[in-house]
Amino acid sequence: DSGVTQTPKHLITATGQRVTLRCSPRSGDLSVYWYQQSLDQGLQFLIQYYNGEERAKGNILERFSAQQFPDLHSELNLSSLELGDSALYFCASNLITDTQYFGPGTRLTVL
Amino acid sequence: ELKVEQNPLFLSMQEGKNYTIYCNYSTTSDRLYWYRQDPGKSLESLFVLLSNGAVKQEGRLMASLDTKARLSTLHITAAVHDLSATYFCAVGGAGGTSYGKLTFGQGTILTVHP
Repeated sequence: DSGVTQTPKHLITATGQRVTLRCSPRSGDLSVYWYQQSLDQGLQFLIQYYNGEERAKGNILERFSAQQFPDLHSELNLSSLELGDSALYFCASNLITDTQYFGPGTRLTVL
Repeated sequence: ELKVEQNPLFLSMQEGKNYTIYCNYSTTSDRLYWYRQDPGKSLESLFVLLSNGAVKQEGRLMASLDTKARLSTLHITAAVHDLSATYFCAVGGAGGTSYGKLTFGQGTILTVHP
């Protein structure tokens, strides 16, 4: 158990819908990262937040957005969902730049 | 753009044998990570390599880093079934706002047979 928690574990929804994925980092960690894992694209970095502020952006679609709240938990919002958005979404955390510890993931299925 | 390539992508080994997974990356970085993923599970950190020539060992796994060659290796000694998993290398960003970003290789699916 890495200490990073993610909810929900599974999410099934329809095309065009909007969902929110939640992540709580390890105690004391200030950085939160979001990654998408799919068979097509592999593991891809989406976005990083550090102490409430966006720090880095990867290949994140405009339909996706994220934020980190004052208590350091983070949410990833996915809207206008398409079939191709079906994937495992991981959250990871660390203090600043050391090893990233990954949560259990949220499996999103878009029907 | 940083590219990370692993080979082989699929590795079928017999128990007791040795083998090496290679991780090549395209641009300068001094941070290399190895992770393990079991089917349907999360990623578990195995090694962090932070300097040229770094070598780390844990049980039957040993990882090394050559920043000049932009190459890391994960060596498996006397494989056992419990090592069956997918192994990823990941390279840290070079600096600035991309410093924390990890770029992952494709993963190597390792299957150890009796």
